[in-house]
Amino acid sequence: TQLLEQSPQFLSIQEGENLTVYCNSSSVFSSLQWYRQEPGEGPVLLVTVVTGGEVKKLKRLTFQFGDARKDSSLHITAAQPGDTGLYLCAGDRSNYQLIWGAGTKLIIKP
Amino acid sequence: DAGVIQSPRHEVTEMGQEVTLRCKPISGHNSLFWYRQTMMRGLELLIYFNNNVPIDDSGMPEDRFSAKMPNASFSTLKIQPSEPRDSAVYFCASSFGGNRGEQYFGPGTRLTVT
Repeated sequence: TQLLEQSPQFLSIQEGENLTVYCNSSSVFSSLQWYRQEPGEGPVLLVTVVTGGEVKKLKRLTFQFGDARKDSSLHITAAQPGDTGLYLCAGDRSNYQLIWGAGTKLIIKP
Repeated sequence: DAGVIQSPRHEVTEMGQEVTLRCKPISGHNSLFWYRQTMMRGLELLIYFNNNVPIDDSGMPEDRFSAKMPNASFSTLKIQPSEPRDSAVYFCASSFGGNRGEQYFGPGTRLTVT
């Protein structure tokens, strides 16, 4: 059972387009983290959202935590080829284990 | 400041051989995680150490897998004997403050068992 569903699994778009990646669960998380992983490297933390309804921005990336702290979204404005990678969300349920999504593979074509 | 260091970066071995993967966490971090990543199963937590003590090894596939953390700056993941289905990328990550802390990943070891 996948406790944290990510969608879409794969997305290929042209440079300059906007996109949104979703991370959904029926479970409540005390916080949720977003990571980006490039080929041949480990995941790198982008942001952590903690409060229900919280919005964080990282340049052209906007992260939102759902009001009920069960879901999150990542919106990229005017995507660039450098945004290409695997995006992973991970939820913290206030125990020792992060719950990981399966990831969204994003390709931005120049 | 050095991040998480893993070695080797690539390992190719024959079925039945022993494989040892190594990890040096970020200095000052008190939690260490071993993950396995495959296309089919994504990122799976194998074992979690806190203050050098294994807290949860329920993700370790079977008795062929073992992990140690003899001190705060070194951990190993051993597979003996290795099998082709063990082929994957193995990541080590560390954090401060337990699993709630943000995790910092090493570059991974790509293991191929033929």
